[in-house]
Amino acid sequence: NAGVTQTPKFQVLKTGQSMTLQCAQDMNHEYMSWYRQDPGMGLRLIHYSVGAGITDQGEVPNGYNVSRSTTEDFPLRLLSAAPSQTSVYFCASSSGEGQPQHFGDGTRLSIL
Amino acid sequence: AQSVTQLDSHVSVSEGTPVLLRCNYSSSYSPSLFWYVQHPNKGLQLLLKYTSAATLVKGINGFEAEFKKSETSFHLTKPSAHMSDAAEYFCVVFPDTGRRALTFGSGTRLQVQP
Repeated sequence: NAGVTQTPKFQVLKTGQSMTLQCAQDMNHEYMSWYRQDPGMGLRLIHYSVGAGITDQGEVPNGYNVSRSTTEDFPLRLLSAAPSQTSVYFCASSSGEGQPQHFGDGTRLSIL
Repeated sequence: AQSVTQLDSHVSVSEGTPVLLRCNYSSSYSPSLFWYVQHPNKGLQLLLKYTSAATLVKGINGFEAEFKKSETSFHLTKPSAHMSDAAEYFCVVFPDTGRRALTFGSGTRLQVQP
């Protein structure tokens, strides 16, 4: 059982470049979310989805886009990378909003 | 708006001694509360969850937490620390009203000395 799979594990970008962080889950979970983790700040919610075709903004959505065309996949797009987006990004899924989250192992992103 | 305060950014204990990681929350009447653990270069793993069924919640790996409404606290404890417990721990709240989104504490790094 793979759980939540994130790719890539590491990425270095130049300012202004765009990229997509991939997230896939095989648990048939309706709820998926993206967080960023910065030192001393815990995890902050970027975007979330309560099902295919439905997405909404979290606490820090600026500079990021998401889509949810299938139950399994929830990609996160950086439109024009900025150094402030250097962070560790985690994707999570669960059976509902307030249910325990299953996390991927993260994508470590550096923007130069 | 809900908030979560983890009172210690770092805790150091000796192997075999008790662990106490403190968490206070500010939220609605009956939130759901969680503790997660994160080992280096890994995602977060659920330790335990409180949802009002019982104030003392038992989790994995010998951890437990007690919900104290009067103190708005949800401290995590373990009677005897093991070297493998060294990790970062996050207290998380999910309110039952208002903006229904998880709010994470800033984390407590637990060191276990041999």
